[in-house]
Amino acid sequence: GQQLNQSPQSMFIQEGEDVSMNCTSSSIFNTWLWYKQDPGEGPVLLIALYKAGELTSNGRLTAQFGITRKDSFLNISASIPSDVGIYFCAGQLNAGNNRKLIWGLGTSLAVNP
Amino acid sequence: GAGVSQSPSNKVTEKGKDVELRCDPISGHTALYWYRQSLGQGLEFLIYFQGNSAPDKSGLPSDRFSAERTGGSVSTLTIQRTQQEDSAVYLCASSPTGGGWDGYTFGSGTRLTVV
Repeated sequence: GQQLNQSPQSMFIQEGEDVSMNCTSSSIFNTWLWYKQDPGEGPVLLIALYKAGELTSNGRLTAQFGITRKDSFLNISASIPSDVGIYFCAGQLNAGNNRKLIWGLGTSLAVNP
Repeated sequence: GAGVSQSPSNKVTEKGKDVELRCDPISGHTALYWYRQSLGQGLEFLIYFQGNSAPDKSGLPSDRFSAERTGGSVSTLTIQRTQQEDSAVYLCASSPTGGGWDGYTFGSGTRLTVV
């Protein structure tokens, strides 16, 4: 099925470092979302982006909706051990009631205390 | 309920057997989605329900997969004659129609292992 190109695939960082990950697509997306998934749980929404160029923060997290509507990035500042998990980007192709999402393959983040 | 509930949480089945996976959405959520997550992969869309109807079944991988939703609430995903490649985590999400994405809520999934 269709997927987004998400990178990097994994990251191993020291506590306190900043993190950056991104997603790209050949298709134009109507909405970009960033999720975090902990083991044995479903994904939990971190940030939703609705407009091209939009820059949104949620605590130490910042995400942007690319101007071309084909990419997005997520930054985490001053990482802490509880940031460990898998981060996914997801996009909605079309507006409307069908909120089918297309997903990246995830970025696995490990934080060394 | 307070969240999306899926059952069972884990299921081990023999190849060739049929399985049923259940999703109880958040009360009042009209939209319901099934996704499949294979090991090390992102989520793959399977089917979308609006009320009891399924306007988008485009992600169902084969005719062995079917889903229904009754009473605008509980949904069941059925996999017939299971194959080893069906092994994955099956996630359900529910959402109100409209509103922000913070209402689009996932369950914890059913981990299916076909042996």
